[in-house]
Amino acid sequence: AQSVAQPEDQVNVAEGNPLTVKCTYSVSGNPYLFWYVQYPNRGLQFLLKYITGDNLVKGSYGFEAEFNKSQTSFHLKKPSALVSDSALYFCAVRDMNYGGATNKLIFGTGTLLAVQP
Amino acid sequence: GAGVSQTPSNKVTEKGKYVELRCDPISGHTALYWYRQSLGQGPEFLIYFQGTGAADDSGLPNDRFFAVRPEGSVSTLKIQRTERGDSAVYLCASSLLGTETQYFGPGTRLLVL
Repeated sequence: AQSVAQPEDQVNVAEGNPLTVKCTYSVSGNPYLFWYVQYPNRGLQFLLKYITGDNLVKGSYGFEAEFNKSQTSFHLKKPSALVSDSALYFCAVRDMNYGGATNKLIFGTGTLLAVQP
Repeated sequence: GAGVSQTPSNKVTEKGKYVELRCDPISGHTALYWYRQSLGQGPEFLIYFQGTGAADDSGLPNDRFFAVRPEGSVSTLKIQRTERGDSAVYLCASSLLGTETQYFGPGTRLLVL
């Protein structure tokens, strides 16, 4: 079965420092990977996705993610964190069946990012 | 343009009651999804519509849960004989046909007492 793991429940970083939120995946076939952000009492907002092509994907709000096939990872990064980046971040992968990628997203358990001023 | 909207934003009901949750997708999006997010967890897939038909309902937990999308736009998730374990945030998402990105609404927070 396809899955994603977010090994850190919480990441703390000082404003202005680089941040990394980790995600590893387990899929059969080529993965379709996503990052979403969730602010309190709001739905998920799409940040970026990897389908194919360049391993470094750039997304919204200055975030980027690096797809690493050998390490089965898709870590989210930002060069300089802002206090306003504090939120819950979810990694997700499209489920696969015998027919290929389905339309079902499988989410990790989320990582709370706390940026201190 | 307008995003995905969901009503109500909060719903409190008693065990055993029937509830309906509504989702209005982004205009022109033919695909619609329902997910459920329990406290401290990531969203879990419930059902996916392509147009009016349910293309994948493998995530519905049992036959108390049902969803419809009669005109291929608005969808309603229906829960019969609610149980306390049904308490969660119910998220709806939509996407354009042939694209991978799902856009989520703000969710309906359901509390079953």
